[in-house]
Amino acid sequence: DTEVTQTPKHLVMGMTNKKSLKCEQHMGHRAMYWYKQKAKKPPELMFVYSYEKLSINESVPSRFSPECPNSSLLNLHLHALQPEDSALYLCASIGRGVRNTEAFFGQGTRLTVV
Amino acid sequence: KNEVEQSPQNLTAQEGEFITINCSYSVGISALHWLQQHPGGGIVSLFMLSSGKKKHGRLIATINIQEKHSSLHITASHPRDSAVYICAVDNTDKLIFGTGTRLQVFP
Repeated sequence: DTEVTQTPKHLVMGMTNKKSLKCEQHMGHRAMYWYKQKAKKPPELMFVYSYEKLSINESVPSRFSPECPNSSLLNLHLHALQPEDSALYLCASIGRGVRNTEAFFGQGTRLTVV
Repeated sequence: KNEVEQSPQNLTAQEGEFITINCSYSVGISALHWLQQHPGGGIVSLFMLSSGKKKHGRLIATINIQEKHSSLHITASHPRDSAVYICAVDNTDKLIFGTGTRLQVFP
C-alpha cells in the first residue's frame, strides 16, 4: 500500500466550528507532514512529526492543533478558523531509510471557512 | 530570495516539443524531489534524486550536486503533461518547495 489517504476531501466550516482533518499511511514512514496551499502558490509547511513526536511547528496559529495518535495516523484539529484559512491542506509522508526517501502525498482536503 | 528557485514560472508548448524545467537551490540537501500537481490538488512524486540522472518513460531528471541545480526534461510532450511541476528539496526534516512551473501543452 503506497498511499496517503486524507479525509474528508472537501470541508466547509463556520468560524465557530470545530472540525478535524485526518491523514493515514501504512508504509511504515516515520516522518509525516501537514502543508497548507493557497491557490497558485507552492505548499507551505505547517508541521512535521518525526517518530510520532512534533519536531517542527512553523509558527502556525494555535487554532490549528496537530496530533499523531500512532505511526500511521496524523490529525489536524481546527477551531475558530478565519476565512483566510481557506486553502488546500495536504498531508505527506517520507520514509527515512537509506533507500526510501520518496515522498508520498495525499489528495488533500479543500477547506472553506465561511 | 527563495531557497529553491524554479524557472520558468510558466511554460507553453506544442504537442511533441522537448521541455526543460530548471531548479536551483541554496541549502544543503539529502535529496531532491520532482513533483507533479494537477488541477484539483493531488501531488504525485515523479522522481527522487540524490545524484546523477533518472529516467521514467518520457521524463528525465538530472541533478548536479556541486552546482546545486536540477533539471526535469519531458520528451515528446503531450497535452496530458499539462500540470504544475514542483521541485522540492529535502533539508534535514523538511521539504522546501520551489514556486512551481505551470506547463500547458497544446495539441
